[in-house]
Amino acid sequence: AQTVTQSQPEMSVQEAETVTLSCTYDTSESDYYLFWYKQPPSRQMILVIRQEAYKQQNATENRFSVNFQKAAKSFSLKISDSQLGDAAMYFCAYRSVNNMGANSKLTFGKGITLSVRP
Amino acid sequence: GAGVSQSPRYKVAKRGQDVALRCDPISGHVSLFWYQQALGQGPEFLTYFQNEAQLDKSGLPSDRFFAERPEGSVSTLKIQRTQQEDSAVYLCASSAPPYEQYFGPGTRLTVT
Repeated sequence: AQTVTQSQPEMSVQEAETVTLSCTYDTSESDYYLFWYKQPPSRQMILVIRQEAYKQQNATENRFSVNFQKAAKSFSLKISDSQLGDAAMYFCAYRSVNNMGANSKLTFGKGITLSVRP
Repeated sequence: GAGVSQSPRYKVAKRGQDVALRCDPISGHVSLFWYQQALGQGPEFLTYFQNEAQLDKSGLPSDRFFAERPEGSVSTLKIQRTQQEDSAVYLCASSAPPYEQYFGPGTRLTVT
């Protein structure tokens, strides 16, 4: 079974600064997807960024980028130019690749609460 | 189009009552997932449908939990004889595989 570990329960960043959120995972599969989701107090889980394990290039989405280290099973999220609206819980998640075309469940870490100081 | 919707947003039940939680997925999405999120924790998988077929129910914590999706669209998660440990946020997600899962706002269940 796959596991996802987020060992930092809370982090804080100054507005406009950069912050990195850590995530490690364990799997015996060679191909899979990794995600970062944002969950504000409204509870709506929002996809921030996705990484396919077979791709060596790190994914980027505007101010969000990842550092994917497959051998180390590490998947960190970097948020640049932090904004007040970035304050939320952030979850790292793993999904297997299903070659039958069906979908697979997400396995989540425990999450990290990010606060942004004005 | 409209996103995933869930109702009710909040539900308070007395211990021992039955509850039913509804999920309306994005139109055309064949995959539907239910997750349970305890306070301060990450969501945990409960069950998965592809159209009306329940392909995986390995995450359901007991036989008091039952889910259905009879016409391959709306899904209902039913919890019988609720217990205090059932208090959590119940999230529904839908997708058009193999793409991303889109989540609803969740139903917060409190069992008193």
